Amino acid sequence: SQQGEEDPQALSIQEGENATMNCSYKTSINNLQWYRQNSGRGLVHLILIRSNEREKHSGRLRVTLDTSKKSSSLLITASRAADTASYFCATDAWRSNYQLIWGAGTKLIIKP
Amino acid sequence: NAGVMQNPRHLVRRRGQEARLRCSPMKGHSHVYWYRQLPEEGLKFMVYLQKENIIDESGMPKERFSAEFPKEGPSILRIQQVVRGDSAAYFCASSPPPGLSSYNEQFFGPGTRLTVL
Repeated sequence: SQQGEEDPQALSIQEGENATMNCSYKTSINNLQWYRQNSGRGLVHLILIRSNEREKHSGRLRVTLDTSKKSSSLLITASRAADTASYFCATDAWRSNYQLIWGAGTKLIIKP
Repeated sequence: NAGVMQNPRHLVRRRGQEARLRCSPMKGHSHVYWYRQLPEEGLKFMVYLQKENIIDESGMPKERFSAEFPKEGPSILRIQQVVRGDSAAYFCASSPPPGLSSYNEQFFGPGTRLTVL
């Protein structure tokens, strides 16, 4: 079964609002990564957070990691139409740190 | 520095034909990964290769699928006798050798969309 599971599956908000997506996983990890995929396009790496980190920022992105709850959240502040995409979390398999395990993703739609 | 390149971007095959998907990693990257993404699903790991060496192929179907990463040239994912269920997006990613600071960040190509008629 998938290691990472994103929640919600789909999210539609108004431009300017904040968007929060969550990811849960099942086993111990070394790190967790968030990727964005625009419709019909490849994946873009957004941010990597290591298991000993609790929060990380990159521009309008804020990622938190709670290893006790085996969950992470991705917050996009002041959303823009260009943020419309699918967002995936990926965790490295417990027995290695190269094989990424992916969830099904959250489809984010920003309404102008 | 060009990113990860995949070709073709779109590939149409009839059932029973062979599909060859190519991936050129980023310059300086010696590790290549292949993932498959079915419609409305996340990516699933298929295989992890170094040049001339398969590190982990635990995600590869046992039959019809093979992958290689020769000393020279791109990595190739080969699917023999394709079936409709093989229709998917196939993504290649590359990473630098272990031990460098960006280890485990995988850089993805644009993907190859395979359609089996």
